[in-house]
Amino acid sequence: DAKTTQPPSMDCAEGRAANLPCNHSTISGNEYVYWYRQIHSQGPQYIIHGLKNNETNEMASLIITEDRKSSTLILPHATLRDTAVYYCIVRPDYYGGATNKLIFGTGTLLAVQP
Amino acid sequence: KAGVTQTPRYLIKTRGQQVTLSCSPISGHRSVSWYQQTPGQGLQFLFEYFSETQRNKGNFPGRFSGRQFSNSRSEMNVSTLELGDSALYLCASSGGLDWYEQYFGPGTRLTVT
Repeated sequence: DAKTTQPPSMDCAEGRAANLPCNHSTISGNEYVYWYRQIHSQGPQYIIHGLKNNETNEMASLIITEDRKSSTLILPHATLRDTAVYYCIVRPDYYGGATNKLIFGTGTLLAVQP
Repeated sequence: KAGVTQTPRYLIKTRGQQVTLSCSPISGHRSVSWYQQTPGQGLQFLFEYFSETQRNKGNFPGRFSGRQFSNSRSEMNVSTLELGDSALYLCASSGGLDWYEQYFGPGTRLTVT
């Protein structure tokens, strides 16, 4: 079963920041938080991941709370092309002997409105 | 770099038949994973192969099998197809410097009638 909880859907106005929350209260010390998104009828796309520090890349920012029990994915300036299902996934450290297995939950459908 | 390719993209089969789906990972990637996506169950992990060895397997019946070749290309096979096997089958590869990122292919849409 997925170890994360996300709201089923969210709306965001085009050009505004989209803040997508995720709860992962049972996360272990060696588990990372990953975010993927899936645009309709396409394969999922990696967005960002982090362990305990905030992370930023060209697509998004990831804010992880100090207790690591929740996180927020931030799309700074949402566009219509960001409309997708966003998945928050908890995954063990790859080099800890774990596999590439991803356990997807139900995700959040983000609808960016013009 | 070229992405993950999956063939065929669409497939229609009849109950009881078997099907083989193919996945070509990104060049240099040695890990290939397979997922099934249905409206009812969402995205579910099927299995992962790394250097021709199955490294992990999801909770699917034995009718679902896979293999990986020495060039990292992978195939999955479903025997004795059931209506419930209708789904989008996704393949993902990873490896190299960005080992943490899995690259997904466009998927194969299988319809069982």
